[in-house]
Amino acid sequence: AQSVTQPDIHITVSEGASLELRCNYSYGATPYLFWYVQSPGQGLQLLLKYFSGDTLVQGIKGFEAEFKRSQSSFNLRKPSVHWSDAAEYFCAVGAANFGNEKLTFGTGTRLTIIP
Amino acid sequence: NAGVTQTPKFQVLKTGQSMTLQCAQDMNHEYMSWYRQDPGMGLRLIHYSVGAGITDQGEVPNGYNVSRSTTEDFPLRLLSAAPSQTSVYFCASSYQASVTDTQYFGPGTRLTVL
Repeated sequence: AQSVTQPDIHITVSEGASLELRCNYSYGATPYLFWYVQSPGQGLQLLLKYFSGDTLVQGIKGFEAEFKRSQSSFNLRKPSVHWSDAAEYFCAVGAANFGNEKLTFGTGTRLTIIP
Repeated sequence: NAGVTQTPKFQVLKTGQSMTLQCAQDMNHEYMSWYRQDPGMGLRLIHYSVGAGITDQGEVPNGYNVSRSTTEDFPLRLLSAAPSQTSVYFCASSYQASVTDTQYFGPGTRLTVL
């Protein structure tokens, strides 16, 4: 069975600083990987996804993520954060088992932005 | 498009009461699902449906029922609420039942069971 680990429960970053959120996955085959963002009081919104090809994936809101098979990681990055990026971020891995496709979410990383 | 809508936004129940959480989407999506979100546990799949008339259990189905009589609606029923069901519930939909399809989430229902 697949699993996702987000080792950082809470991260605080100054506005304008760079950001990296960590995600490690466990899955026997090539994974489908996702990052979602949840703003306060809102549902989840897809930031970006990786299925195959170029291991550096660009997403919305200036985010990118890099798939590293050797490290089983899919870390999310942003070069310069804005106050509006304060939210909770979820990494997820998808298992493409025909007839039983399933998305497994990590426990999330809460991002606080300080002025 | 309204996307995925959920009602109510907040609900307080007493132990043993029943209720239905409503979910609707206007994107003609075949796949719909219910998740619960608990602190430190991420999102866990409760039930899902790959089309009208077809439902199946997810990771944590006990205490919940679903039905899918139309493509648009996917209500979640709590049969006899328990404090352990205090959680935030999210409905999601996607075009097909494939992990490669983008899932669209509703705004959530925050449920407290006393």
